[in-house]
Formats: sequence, C-alpha cells, structure tokens
Amino acid sequence: SQTIHQWPATLVQPVGSPLSLECTVEGTSNPNLYWYRQAAGRGLQLLFYSVGIGQISSEVPQNLSASRPQDRQFILSSKKLLLSDSGFYLCAWNPLGRDQYFGPGTRLLVL
Amino acid sequence: SQQGEEDPQALSIQEGENATMNCSYKTSINNLQWYRQNSGRGLVHLILIRSNEREKHSGRLRVTLDTSKKSSSLLITASRAADTASYFCATLNTGTASKLTFGTGTRLQVTL
Repeated sequence: SQTIHQWPATLVQPVGSPLSLECTVEGTSNPNLYWYRQAAGRGLQLLFYSVGIGQISSEVPQNLSASRPQDRQFILSSKKLLLSDSGFYLCAWNPLGRDQYFGPGTRLLVL
Repeated sequence: SQQGEEDPQALSIQEGENATMNCSYKTSINNLQWYRQNSGRGLVHLILIRSNEREKHSGRLRVTLDTSKKSSSLLITASRAADTASYFCATLNTGTASKLTFGTGTRLQVTL
C-alpha cells in the first residue's frame, strides 16, 4: 500500500532562518507530488507540483522553493523565512486524474 | 487562486440531523472531489464525482453535481459527533495536469 510521510510535524523557526521540509512517498513509482499551504481556518493553496525528478512547477510567487531530488522525495525550502510563511504545509500525491493522498502535515510557526 | 467556494462557511447541527454543504466553481472540470479534514490533520478523500455523473453515494454520503450551474452538494445523513470536521470541495479542471483547486471549506460541528 502507498504511504506518504512528512516531517517534522511541528516547527518553530525565527524570522530569517532557513527551512527544509521533507516529504516522501512509499509504494508507488513516478507519482505526481504537490505542496500546499493552509493558513489558519482557510482552504488549501497549491504552492508547487512535480510530475517527475527535477521537474518543478510553481503556482504562486513567493519566498519558498521546491526540489525533487529523487522519484519519491519532495522538499520544500526557504533561504530566509518570513513571518507570513507561517502555516500548515501539506504534501500530497495522486494517481493521474484521481483523488489525492495527503501526508499528516507540518505546522510551521515563524517568530 | 481558489475557485471553489463552499457555503455555508460554518454549520452547526445536532446528532442525527442531516448536513448539507454546497460548492460552486467557475471553470470546466474533469471531476469534483470532497475531502474531510479533522482539526490540525491532513485531508482525507471522501468521494469523487466525474463531470458526466449527476449523483453518487457512499455510505451516509450523497454527492450531487450540476455542471450547468457549476455547483455540487455534499449531504451527510444521520450525522454523528465524529463527523465534526472541515469539509472541502476540490475540482480537477480541464487541462490542468492533475492539479486540484480547493475551496475554502465548510466547518461542520455536530453536537450531542
């Protein structure tokens, strides 16, 4: 069966510090991978998606970047965090055209 | 941008009652999906309805889709306290390489 992992679960970082959130998927090959951000009490905003190794599409201009160094690994990064980067970050994958499977999420608080 | 809009934003009902949530969207879709999110957790897929379908059932869930009105509804029958969560609709839009566009969600509270 397929499983998706995210870590850390919670992160508190000072403004200006770097960020690296990792997402890995098990039990599937060549998945489409997605990073979303969810502000408190709001819907999901798609940040990045990837259809293959090294292939990243950015949905919104922002302070974050993404990378896909391996088939089942998706990383969300920042060189310098802003207060506005606080939120709940969700990784997801899906079989083409079907529903998405979400990881447990990382709650990021930038102080 | 979020094209899906759910209403109501919040809904409070008593256990045993039915809960109906609505979703509207703006562009042509391949399918529409409903997800559930417990507080502080990831989303869980509930049901998918394709653009050529009008109604679908799964257990206590009933989803309708009206593509002429660009709207969908999720009905939860005989609600339980455990149904308390946020519910999101998401559309897979035509020609968007499997990207889902999520709505803003409906917060459902089921009380005993």
